Amino acid sequence: KQEVTQIPAALSVPEGENLVLNCSFTDSAIYNLQWFRQDPGKGLTSLLLIQSSQREQTSGRLNASLDKSSGRSTLYIAASQPGDSATYLCAVWGNAGNMLTFGGGTRLMVKP
Amino acid sequence: DTGVSQDPRHKITKRGQNVTFRCDPISEHNRLYWYRQTLGQGPEFLTYFQNEAQLEKSRLLSDRFSAERPKGSFSTLEIQRTEQGDSAMYLCASSLGGLTAETQYFGPGTRLLVL
Repeated sequence: KQEVTQIPAALSVPEGENLVLNCSFTDSAIYNLQWFRQDPGKGLTSLLLIQSSQREQTSGRLNASLDKSSGRSTLYIAASQPGDSATYLCAVWGNAGNMLTFGGGTRLMVKP
Repeated sequence: DTGVSQDPRHKITKRGQNVTFRCDPISEHNRLYWYRQTLGQGPEFLTYFQNEAQLEKSRLLSDRFSAERPKGSFSTLEIQRTEQGDSAMYLCASSLGGLTAETQYFGPGTRLLVL
């Protein structure tokens, strides 16, 4: 059974810092990995999707990498802003079924 | 706004009552998913439809839960005889399924509180 773990569970940084969020998964047989953002009490917004054949994806100040063989992904946020404060979730689409398996999320607070 | 809508956004009910939630996916999307999210946790998969066919169900989906997608468009999720442990955010997502795994677009969720 696929398990997804995100470290740290919570992170507080001053504005302007570059930061890295980590995601690990136990079964490397995946089709893709997605990073989502969730604001309090709201639904999920897709940030980046990395196909299993890709190593990284970039969107603006966000860069996500994937090392499928070691079961790891990182989300890099450059020059963090208070508006980046949210919960960041990673999820993998595995070979075992038509569903996303999510990690528990990292709650990010960027202080002005 | 992702284009996926859910109704209602909030529901408070008493234990033992039945509740029904609705999801309207992006119109051309053939795949529809239901997830449940409890406070401080990531979403957990409940069930998946391709068009009107319910193809997968999680073991989390007890016999009190039933989902339908009658014409391959909107979907409903019904919980019968609600329990306090059913309190959670219920999220719907849709995607355009093909040969490659695709991005899922999530709705805003329905937050259920069972008293």
